[in-house]
Amino acid sequence: DIQMTQSPSSLSASVGDRVTITCRASQGMRNDLGWYQQKPGKAPKRLIYAASNLQSGVPSRFGGSRSGTEFTLTISSLQPEDFATYYCLQHDSFPYAFGQGTKLEIK
Amino acid sequence: QVQLVQSGAEVKKPGASVKVSCKTSGYTFTRYGISWVRQAPGQGLEWMGWISADNGDTNYAQKLQGRVTMTTDTSTSTAYLELRSLRSDDTAVYYCAILSYWGQGTLVTVSS
Repeated sequence: DIQMTQSPSSLSASVGDRVTITCRASQGMRNDLGWYQQKPGKAPKRLIYAASNLQSGVPSRFGGSRSGTEFTLTISSLQPEDFATYYCLQHDSFPYAFGQGTKLEIK
Repeated sequence: QVQLVQSGAEVKKPGASVKVSCKTSGYTFTRYGISWVRQAPGQGLEWMGWISADNGDTNYAQKLQGRVTMTTDTSTSTAYLELRSLRSDDTAVYYCAILSYWGQGTLVTVSS
């Protein structure tokens, strides 16, 4: 099974900051990884698919990358609406697995 | 546009079963598999399983094996999640998803 270890679990940042969130896979995998944003009381929203592809309609300040088994979500310049919880999801092989989540809070 | 509309909130007693529906529209139903995901109060997302809408093949999370059944009805483009022998720690919001599109969630509360 491929498990995803996400870090950090929480992050305080200011509007305009650049932030990165990381998911490390427990073994090699293809690029079948997505990044999701979730706001309280709402369903998750996919931001990035296939590790580095921006979902249609998502602002270009969001970006995804990969180095080996480490996947990264970068927000280049935080906006007020970006304060939320972020999850990665691997769907390379069953069982699919989410990272533990990163709560992004306003400093 | 693609839509996934789930059934309403449920309150169940421990030991009971629940069946949640997910009616889809706006795409060819058999083209994508459907995942079910749940989120306990204040917790992260948990992948429960997946069903092929084409042939009904399923893959369930190990911890739910024996208690969960996912099915589809291609005539109505609807997916179903049934969870049996409910426990208090099954209290959660349950989502259906085709990864880029998600239902609105169904709150299932298990309480005596």
